[in-house]
Amino acid sequence: DAGVIQSPRHEVTEMGQEVTLRCKPISGHDYLFWYRQTMMRGLELLIYFNNNVPIDDSGMPEDRFSAKMPNASFSTLKIQPSEPRDSAVYFCASSSAGGQPQHFGDGTRLSIL
Amino acid sequence: EDQVTQSPEALRLQEGESSSLNCSYTVSGLRGLFWYRQDPGKGPEFLFTLYSAGEEKEKERLKATLTKKESFLHITAPKPEDSATYLCAVQANRGSNYKLTFGKGTLLTVNP
Repeated sequence: DAGVIQSPRHEVTEMGQEVTLRCKPISGHDYLFWYRQTMMRGLELLIYFNNNVPIDDSGMPEDRFSAKMPNASFSTLKIQPSEPRDSAVYFCASSSAGGQPQHFGDGTRLSIL
Repeated sequence: EDQVTQSPEALRLQEGESSSLNCSYTVSGLRGLFWYRQDPGKGPEFLFTLYSAGEEKEKERLKATLTKKESFLHITAPKPEDSATYLCAVQANRGSNYKLTFGKGTLLTVNP
C-alpha cells in the first residue's frame, strides 16, 4: 500500500518567495497532520484536519503560514512570504482515526536563503 | 501544557549490549503514548502505542513499557540496523483533540 506522499522532497528558495508544500495522505485516512522538525525545537504540530476541515491550527507560527485541504486526497501548506527562519523539514502524517497511530511521509526539506 | 522529555539524548552501544531509553511525560490525562523510529532523511516510523500503566508491547528486539509518569523502550541484544533516532510522543485525553506532543528523541548508535 502507498504511504503518505509528499512533494517536493527538497526545496531551496530565496527569502520573500512563496513556497507550497504538498501532501497526499493514505487512502481512507480521515485525519491529516502537518508538522515541522528542527534541531532546536524537535517535531512540532502546525495544524491538523479531520474530514478536510481544519481542527487545530494553534501551532501555525504566524499569518505567513496557511494550509488547505480541498479534498480527501490532497493538502497544501503554503508560506508567503518565506523567511530564513522557516528553514526546516516539514512532515505530513495521516491516521485512520483520531486516536490511531499517525503515519508519516518522508518530509520536505526546506531551505530559505 | 503537555511535556515530553527523552533521555539520554544519545546512546552508543556495542552489538549485543542491551539497554533502555527513557521517556518522561507530563499530561493532564493520557489517551496514548506512541513510540516512533526515525532514520536519517526519513519520516518517523510507527512502532508502538501504549494506553495504560502496566501495559507492555514487543516487536523483535524492542519492548515498550508504560507507567503513570514514564515509558521505557528496552532494546535487547541490539544490531547495527537498530541504529536510529527513537521518538516518544503523548496524546492527551481532551475530547476530540488528537494532537501529538513529541520529545526530542534519543539517537541510538549500535556498533558492530
